Amino acid sequence: EADIYQTPRYLVIGTGKKITLECSQTMGHDKMYWYQQDPGMELHLIHYSYGVNSTEKGDLSSESTVSRIRTEHFPLTLESARPSHTSQYLCASSSNSNQPQHFGDGTRLSIL
Amino acid sequence: QKEVEQNSGPLSVPEGAIASLNCTYSDRGSQSFFWYRQYSGKSPELIMFIYSNGDKEDGRFTAQLNKASQYVSLLIRDSQPSDSATYLCAVTPPAADKLIFGTGTRLQVFP
Repeated sequence: EADIYQTPRYLVIGTGKKITLECSQTMGHDKMYWYQQDPGMELHLIHYSYGVNSTEKGDLSSESTVSRIRTEHFPLTLESARPSHTSQYLCASSSNSNQPQHFGDGTRLSIL
Repeated sequence: QKEVEQNSGPLSVPEGAIASLNCTYSDRGSQSFFWYRQYSGKSPELIMFIYSNGDKEDGRFTAQLNKASQYVSLLIRDSQPSDSATYLCAVTPPAADKLIFGTGTRLQVFP
């Protein structure tokens, strides 16, 4: 059983607010990932990390930022939320790139 | 050409039948291959992974890999309505630290 946790599960918030989506894993995985997915649509990689102090942009341009200060923690921040940021955000981790990625339950974000 | 291609479906099969889901990939050097199941509104969950040519079986699921033809497939035997979901194929290209996901195939199993 994969141990990767995302909070909050759901967030409805107004435009212009600063938002941080939390992702934590207890498996000691070096690799962590953030994906964005709209309903019925494909997964898009927006950020990933090789390990502590490493962050990389993914395939889809995003206004969000990430940090990796601790192995187990990979938060995603939106400095000023806009309605276009409404989506589901999924966090995943793996021990290396040839091993499966394990996903958290996701955060469904709605910006009014 | 997309790096990982799947037919979007829906693939409709009757309960008890074999569902066959296919995926092709463009980078011949790809090394690891994964199948995920995603129910509507939920996150992807790993079903199977395969690294070597041939078949790998786990319960009702069989993954098949053919590196020469650059395809990987997933067979679901004795399909159940609870198998109705979107199935995502994912591939690790060479020298990459990320998975490339296909767009998914929607499977519908009807009673």
